[in-house]
Amino acid sequence: EAEVAQSPRYKITEKSQAVAFWCDPISGHATLYWYRQILGQGPELLVQFQDESVVDDSQLPKDRFSAERLKGVDSTLKIQPAELGDSAMYLCASSHNQGWNSPLHFGNGTRLTVT
Amino acid sequence: QKEVEQNSGPLSVPEGAIASLNCTYSDRGSQSFFWYRQYSGKSPELIMFIYSNGDKEDGRFTAQLNKASQYVSLLIRDSQPSDSATYLCALPGGNNRLAFGKGNQVVVIP
Repeated sequence: EAEVAQSPRYKITEKSQAVAFWCDPISGHATLYWYRQILGQGPELLVQFQDESVVDDSQLPKDRFSAERLKGVDSTLKIQPAELGDSAMYLCASSHNQGWNSPLHFGNGTRLTVT
Repeated sequence: QKEVEQNSGPLSVPEGAIASLNCTYSDRGSQSFFWYRQYSGKSPELIMFIYSNGDKEDGRFTAQLNKASQYVSLLIRDSQPSDSATYLCALPGGNNRLAFGKGNQVVVIP
């Protein structure tokens, strides 16, 4: 079964450093999501792409976070500078389209620890 | 009020018993509801979705939707140790983004 690929699996960085996460969605999936999940909480949407366009980035802290999906396929999420409160699991998900009945498929996530 | 609320703490059930989880939501116009299972350190995986009032059964899982009371439940029958996980309730919010509850942890005791 096709999977959403994410890398790295784990990342430890010092505060004020820059970090980047990569995601390759399931082939043919037009919609891509980046979620952040703090331990003990549910995932919270950071940004949603439809092809190469941002559909929703209302919860993305734009002073330090950026996301791109230049060719409408894979995507990169960047944090600069990282803060201690950014320690979390960063989950990428994709779906065939952005309709409410199109299930999300999650990658294995990147666990970020900021020291 | 958050879009999706899951307020109960960890649920411990003996093996073979029924685990019951509840989720309430604020938007009366919500049409579809999803249950995801998340094992510790892993990503969420979809296990159930329900659109219509009433019950939907899939194997040992039953989702129950009551739109009038704005809650959706998940029942796990004949609970197994492999069911030990966090169960996340989710529903589409603005821009069809999926809004998740904080999850309920289930521990099945052999």
